[in-house]
Amino acid sequence: GAVVSQHPSRVICKSGTSVKIECRSLDFQATTMFWYRQFPKQSLMLMATSNEGSKATYEQGVEKDKFLINHASLTLSTLTVTSAHPEDSSFYICSARSGTGGAGGYTFGSGTRLTVV
Amino acid sequence: AQSVTQLGSHVSVSEGALVLLRCNYSSSVPPYLFWYVQYPNQGLQLLLKYTSAATLVKGINGFEAEFKKSETSFHLTKPSAHMSDAAEYFCAVSPTGTASKLTFGTGTRLQVTL
Repeated sequence: GAVVSQHPSRVICKSGTSVKIECRSLDFQATTMFWYRQFPKQSLMLMATSNEGSKATYEQGVEKDKFLINHASLTLSTLTVTSAHPEDSSFYICSARSGTGGAGGYTFGSGTRLTVV
Repeated sequence: AQSVTQLGSHVSVSEGALVLLRCNYSSSVPPYLFWYVQYPNQGLQLLLKYTSAATLVKGINGFEAEFKKSETSFHLTKPSAHMSDAAEYFCAVSPTGTASKLTFGTGTRLQVTL
């Protein structure tokens, strides 16, 4: 079945530094990738949608200059949290979709626990 | 805009008992509907999805869900709970168009007791 690899699974960084999270579709081409943020005991909040070769579309309230998304190939998308602060600490999850339309299915990565100290 | 409502943020059942997790959707046209399970500090795993074929959808691990248009519901059931079913469950909805994206419910934590 479809597999999405997300790395790192856990990262601790100092306030003011940047952190990059990678999301790779291992056995399929992901035309669209999604980035979510999840606070403890809460649901997933969509941050942005990215299509290969295009600029990401950010949800309302998400700072595009803080959360940089790159989707340079059909198998790789990255999320960079720039100038991280403690309030950016969260669980970040990526999802990849093959084809167009929801019936194609969405495969999720295993998530990245970011802690900013 | 489409949305889903999960009734009950926390459900507790005994091992071997019926599992029923409720999900109601709001959409002007029948959407695609999904159930995902999340274990602690992990991503989401698809249990099953409804994409306008059969209204009774069978998924992995013995779970199934029935799409009921008249009730705008897509409840998740399992005849007999197992300890390993303890996890967070999310219902999600997606429009059927090409620009679709998932919208999640608030989640239901399933606890299974001996």
